[in-house]
Amino acid sequence: EPEVTQTPSHQVTQMGQEVILRCVPISNHLYFYWYRQILGQKVEFLVSFYNNEISEKSEIFDDQFSVERPDGSNFTLKIRSTKLEDSAMYFCASSVQGARETQYFGPGTRLLVL
Amino acid sequence: DQQVKQNSPSLSVQEGRISILNCDYTNSMFDYFLWYKKYPAEGPTFLISISSIKDKNEDGRFTVFLNKSAKHLSLHIVPSQPGDSAVYFCAASARGAGSYQLTFGKGTKLSVIP
Repeated sequence: EPEVTQTPSHQVTQMGQEVILRCVPISNHLYFYWYRQILGQKVEFLVSFYNNEISEKSEIFDDQFSVERPDGSNFTLKIRSTKLEDSAMYFCASSVQGARETQYFGPGTRLLVL
Repeated sequence: DQQVKQNSPSLSVQEGRISILNCDYTNSMFDYFLWYKKYPAEGPTFLISISSIKDKNEDGRFTVFLNKSAKHLSLHIVPSQPGDSAVYFCAASARGAGSYQLTFGKGTKLSVIP
């Protein structure tokens, strides 16, 4: 069964450093998403992406964040200058269509900012 | 703001019995609802969904009920099995603006006792 994959599974970085989290969505899916879950809190939406453009973003997704689909398979989330509060589990998801569609999640990348 | 609420942080059920997980929402623009299951250190796994035009959807042991007037949905698992032990998240998406993002509840940890 096709699945969303994410690399790395764990990332430790120093505050102020840039990190890139990578995702390979399910191959026939057209919509891509990033969510995060801070320890003990709920899963929160960051951004949705379709046709090489951001379709929606949350207040969390500020200028420190960017997304890119650099080739036909990868979807990346870049955090330019990490802060301690960026420590969280980051989940990538994808769906065939956009609204009112099931989103399928990857296993996540645990980011720890020291 | 808690647009999606799961008021029970945990639930314990005997194997073979019914598990009922509840979810309330406040945003009347929500028109598509999903349940996800999550094991530790894994991403959310899709279980079942329901559109607001329906009041019930079944898939094997899982049934979701939607009461639009009460802004309430529930997930029934019959019969419960030990492998069902996980955190269950209710999620919703809205029509119009915000239709690409899922809003999650905080989750209910289900323990099925053999």
